[in-house]
Parts: sequence; C-alpha cells; structure tokens
Amino acid sequence: AQTVTQSQPEMSVQEAETVTLSCTYDTSESDYYLFWYKQPPSRQMILVIRQEAYKQQNATENRFSVNFQKAAKSFSLKISDSQLGDAAMYFCAYRRINFGNEKLTFGTGTRLTIIP
Amino acid sequence: DVKVTQSSRYLVKRTGEKVFLECVQDMDHENMFWYRQDPGLGLRLIYFSYDVKMKEKGDIPEGYSVSREKKERFSLILESASTNQTSMYLCASSFFPRVREQFFGPGTRLTVL
Repeated sequence: AQTVTQSQPEMSVQEAETVTLSCTYDTSESDYYLFWYKQPPSRQMILVIRQEAYKQQNATENRFSVNFQKAAKSFSLKISDSQLGDAAMYFCAYRRINFGNEKLTFGTGTRLTIIP
Repeated sequence: DVKVTQSSRYLVKRTGEKVFLECVQDMDHENMFWYRQDPGLGLRLIYFSYDVKMKEKGDIPEGYSVSREKKERFSLILESASTNQTSMYLCASSFFPRVREQFFGPGTRLTVL
C-alpha cells in the first residue's frame, strides 16, 4: 500500500522569506501523480501544485515550486516570498495513474504559520 | 469555476441517530469522494463513486454507507452515529478521464454527543 509521510506537523516562516515543506512517499509504482493541497482556515481545500512522476522537470506555479526526487521518493514544496495568505494546512498527496483508480493518499499535513 | 457544496458547515447529532451528509457538484464530474479529516491523521477516504449508483469502499468504510442516485449528488450516511464519528467530513469531485485534481467542498464539522 502506498503511504505518504509529512514529518513536520508545524512550520513557521517570516513574511517574505522562503520555506520548504517536506514530503516522502512509498510506492512500488513507476508512474503516478503527486500533489500539494492547501487548506486555509476557512477549510476549502485547493490544489497548489501537481507533479507527474514521468516528468523530470520540477513543477512550478508562481511562488510555489517543488523538488521532486523520484529515486529518493521525496516531494518537497518550496514557498518563496511568503505572504500572510499562505498560512494554512498543507497536505501532500499521491495518486496512481492506473485506469479507474482515483484514490488519493494524503499525508498528515503541515500547519504553516506566517510571522508578520 | 467548479463548485462543490455541502449541505451543512456544522452539525450536532446524538448517538444512535441516522445522519445524512449531502454533497453537490455543478461541473458534471463523474467521480465523487467522501473523506474524513482528523488531526494528526490527515484525510482518509471513506467511499467513492465513479458513476451514478456505483460505489466503492475506501480505507475506512465501517459505520458508513453512501448513495448516488444522481450524477451531481453524493450522500454519506451514518446509519447509527457514534461519538467516534465526530470529525470533519470533506466531499470532493473530479472529472474522468482527464483527471488532474480533485475539487473539494468546504467541509462539514460533525459532532456526535
């Protein structure tokens, strides 16, 4: 079974600084998707960034980027120029690509606090 | 924009009651999901559905059932609520086959007394 591990229950960063959230996963599959989701205090979960395992290039979305290390099964999220609106729970998630298997496996989350 | 709505933000029920949590999506998505979110445990999949009247068990289906009579609506049913089902419940949907992400509802905080 696939597992996703987020070893940092809480993180904090000064506004405008950079922070990296860690995620490791375990799978025997060679092809899969990885995601970072953000859950602000209002609770609506939204997608931050997605990485396809077959792509070697790390995904980026504005101030958000990932460091995808397939061999090490590591998928960290870097937030640059942190803003107050980045304060949230961040969840790392894994999904197989197989047809019909839609299941997302989530990590336990990292609560990010932004210090003004 | 995709919109996933849930019938209640907060719900308080008593032990033994039958509880219905409703989820509606407006984007004609085939796939719908029910997750439970608990501190320190992340999100765990309860049930999911690929199409109308279809359902499959997730990781923690015990004590729950689901119903999908219409494509846009996916209901989670607690047949006899227990205190250990006090939790945050999140509904999600996604489009098949061009699956790129799941879209989540705002969540229902259920308290069972």
